Formats: sequence, C-alpha cells, structure tokens
Amino acid sequence: GQNIDQPTEMTATEGAIVQINCTYQTSGFNGLFWYQQHAGEAPTFLSYNVLDGLEEKGRFSSFLSRSKGYSYLLLKELQMKDSASYLCAVRVLMNTGFQKLVFGTGTRLLVSP
Amino acid sequence: NAGVTQTPKFRVLKTGQSMTLLCAQDMNHEYMYWYRQDPGMGLRLIHYSVGEGTTAKGEVPDGYNVSRLKKQNFLLGLESAAPSQTSVYFCASSYSIGRASQETQYFGPGTRLLVL
Repeated sequence: GQNIDQPTEMTATEGAIVQINCTYQTSGFNGLFWYQQHAGEAPTFLSYNVLDGLEEKGRFSSFLSRSKGYSYLLLKELQMKDSASYLCAVRVLMNTGFQKLVFGTGTRLLVSP
Repeated sequence: NAGVTQTPKFRVLKTGQSMTLLCAQDMNHEYMYWYRQDPGMGLRLIHYSVGEGTTAKGEVPDGYNVSRLKKQNFLLGLESAAPSQTSVYFCASSYSIGRASQETQYFGPGTRLLVL
C-alpha cells in the first residue's frame, strides 16, 4: 500500500523559518512533489525531488532522503501570504507504466504577525 | 494562456440527479486527471486519461464516468449523485511521462459540489 504522513497543522511567526516534514512508505517511488494550496484555491507546484539532496528555489527548499522515506519543505523569511496548506505527494510507477501521484493530507501552516 | 479551467465553480444537486463537470486545458498536455478532495483526506484520483479517446480508472472511480473526446477537454459525469459525492473536484493536466521535462501536474480552480 501507499502511506504518506505529514503534520496536520503548524504555526510560525512572520520572518521565521519553518520546516514541514513528510514521511512515506510506497512502492514504485519515482519522485516527490510539494504543492501549496491556499484556502479555496487550486494546488500550485512548489518543488520536485527525485534524487537525494536539497533543491533550493528562492525562499523555499525541499530535501529528499529516499533511503529514509523522508522529505521536508523549508520555508525561510516567512510572509503572511505563506499561510496555506502544503501538500506532499509521491509519484509512484504502476505496473501499467502509468505514474500516479499519491497525496498526503496536507499541513496547514498559519503565519502570525 | 488560461491554463486549466473548470466549469461550473459551484453546484448543488439533489440525490439521484446527474451532472457533468467540464475541464479544459490550453497547454497541449497529453495527460489529464480528475481528483476529489475531502476534509482530512488527501487528493484522491478518480479517473485519468493518457490521451485523446482514452480513459482509465483511478483509486475511487465508482459512481463516476469520464470522456476525453478532444485532447483539450476532460469531462467527469455523475449519473446518479449521492451525498457521499459531496466534495471539491479538481482537474489537472500534465505532459506525458515520455517527455524530458518534468511532468508536473497543473490544477484547475476546482468545482465545489454539494449533494443533498
């Protein structure tokens, strides 16, 4: 089966740094995505990791350890607009050749002044 | 480019009624997907399509049908709506897995469906 775990909710202060963790147990792993979803809106792509290590993109960074089944999203210099849900999604390769995304339940981040 | 668009944005149905949700994309993507999102659960794949004229079942296909008559459109149908189908429905699209660029899925704005 596929299982993805991430914290339900986190709070942080404007200007701070926050790390959102994601652990997974899946078969056919072929990459991990992070999406941001503001309330009432569509998920939007933030980052992608397929190899171990850190990917940096501006204020956001994402890390992957395939051997540990672990990823984190690091948000620096938090802004109020970063208040949103952050979805961890693992791409798995099915035996049909199709690759599907399996999503975690999301971490709701609240940034306070 | 509009990206991925969905109609309608919101709909209320009575149990047993039928409706069709329309998804359109203008990015020339081969792959299209329908998900539902419910509180406390991750996005779950209902059906997907790997190209015009093809469809396949995802994780939660029961009670839904789909069609992909044109590459840019993917329709999701509910033949006889049930309260359990109250949800937010998202359509997404991506390039095929054969392309060198990463096959990120791009999502539409969602359709909120309430079945009474």
